[in-house]
Amino acid sequence: AQSVSQHNHHVILSEAASLELGCNYSYGGTVNLFWYVQYPGQHLQLLLKYFSGDPLVKGIKGFEAEFIKSKFSFNLRKPSVQWSDTAEYFCAVGPGGYQKVTFGTGTKLQVIP
Amino acid sequence: DVKVTQSSRYLVKRTGEKVFLECVQDMDHENMFWYRQDPGLGLRLIYFSYDVKMKEKGDIPEGYSVSREKKERFSLILESASTNQTSMYLCASSLNTGAGTDTQYFGPGTRLTVL
Repeated sequence: AQSVSQHNHHVILSEAASLELGCNYSYGGTVNLFWYVQYPGQHLQLLLKYFSGDPLVKGIKGFEAEFIKSKFSFNLRKPSVQWSDTAEYFCAVGPGGYQKVTFGTGTKLQVIP
Repeated sequence: DVKVTQSSRYLVKRTGEKVFLECVQDMDHENMFWYRQDPGLGLRLIYFSYDVKMKEKGDIPEGYSVSREKKERFSLILESASTNQTSMYLCASSLNTGAGTDTQYFGPGTRLTVL
């Protein structure tokens, strides 16, 4: 079975700082990769996803993620965070088009004004 | 916009009670999911349904059952609630496009406390 690791459990940044959240997965075949976000008091929602093609994926609110197949990684980045980015971020992996996904344990991001 | 609704935001039950959590989606999605979300553990899949009356166990099905009699509705049943089932329960749905793992749309969650 596949697994997903998010090494940063809690990240605290000042506004305008750059963000990189790590995500590594263990699965040898074709994967579909996702980042979901849960803002305080809101539903979990899709931030961005990778299916194929360009390994650099752009999502909402200025977020992007890079799929590095050789490293089994799909790290999330944002050049300059805002207070409104305070949320919990989840990486998820769907193997080979299968509808069941495995989620990571999540990273809580706190942005200080 | 896809809307996934869950019958209760907060629920308090006693040990041994039978508990029903209901989820309804309005976008004719084939797939529906039940997760539990616990601090430090992320989301863990309890059950998954890919069609009416079809279900598949997730990673932590013990103590739970599900029912999908209609396409839009997916129910999670705790046969005999226990304190270790105190958690946030999330329902999700997705379309089956056949183009890979599809995006899941989540409900607001039900925070269940078992006393």
